[in-house]
Amino acid sequence: GNSVTQMEGPVTLSEEAFLTINCTYTATGYPSLFWYVQYPGEGLQLLLKATKADDKGSNKGFEATYRKETTSFHLEKGSVQVSDSAVYFCALSVGDYKLSFGAGTTVTVRA
Amino acid sequence: GAGVSQSPSNKVTEKGKDVELRCDPISGHTALYWYRQRLGQGLEFLIYFQGNSAPDKSGLPSDRFSAERTGESVSTLTIQRTQQEDSAVYLCASSVSGTSGETQYFGPGTRLLVL
Repeated sequence: GNSVTQMEGPVTLSEEAFLTINCTYTATGYPSLFWYVQYPGEGLQLLLKATKADDKGSNKGFEATYRKETTSFHLEKGSVQVSDSAVYFCALSVGDYKLSFGAGTTVTVRA
Repeated sequence: GAGVSQSPSNKVTEKGKDVELRCDPISGHTALYWYRQRLGQGLEFLIYFQGNSAPDKSGLPSDRFSAERTGESVSTLTIQRTQQEDSAVYLCASSVSGTSGETQYFGPGTRLLVL
C-alpha cells in the first residue's frame, strides 16, 4: 500500500535556525508528493509539491526535492521565523486523488 | 474568493446520537473530499465526490458513516449512532477536477467530541 513516514516531533528551535523535517514514503506506483502546513487556528493549506522525480518544490523559503532513489521528500528551510511555528504534514497521492498523510510534525520557533 | 467552509466548527454529542456535518466547497470545484484526523495522527481519507459520478466510499470506516453531495455544491457527512472512537476533526477539501497531483484546498474542519 501507500504510506508516508515523517519525523516525529515536537521540534523546537530558535529563530534563524535551520529546519529539516524528514519524510519518506512507500508507494505502489509513481506518486506526487506534497507538504501541507497547519498554522495555529487555521485550516490545512498546501505549502509545496512535486510531481516527478528530481523536481524541487519551494514556497515561503521552504524547499523539498523529490528523491526517487531514496523515496524521500525532506522539507528544509534555511532560517526559520516565529511565524513558521505550525504542524507540517507530508503527503502523497498515487495515480488518483486520495492523499495519504504522515502523522504530522509540530514545529515551534522561539524568538 | 471564498475558501472551503464547514459547519459547525465544533460539535459535542452523546454516544448513540446522530450528527450531520456540512461542507461548502470552493465554487467551480467539481471534486470534494472528506478526511478524518484523529488526535496525534495524520488525515485518513473517507470519501470522494466528482461531479455526477458515483462517489468513492472506500475510506468510510463503517456503515454508520454516509455522505451526500448535491451536484457540485454542498456536501453533508452523517454519522449515525456515534461512538467515542468517532471523536476527531473532520476535514473537507475541494479541488478543481480531482486529478492526481492536483492541489486540494481544505476547510477549517469540524471538531467532533462524542461523550
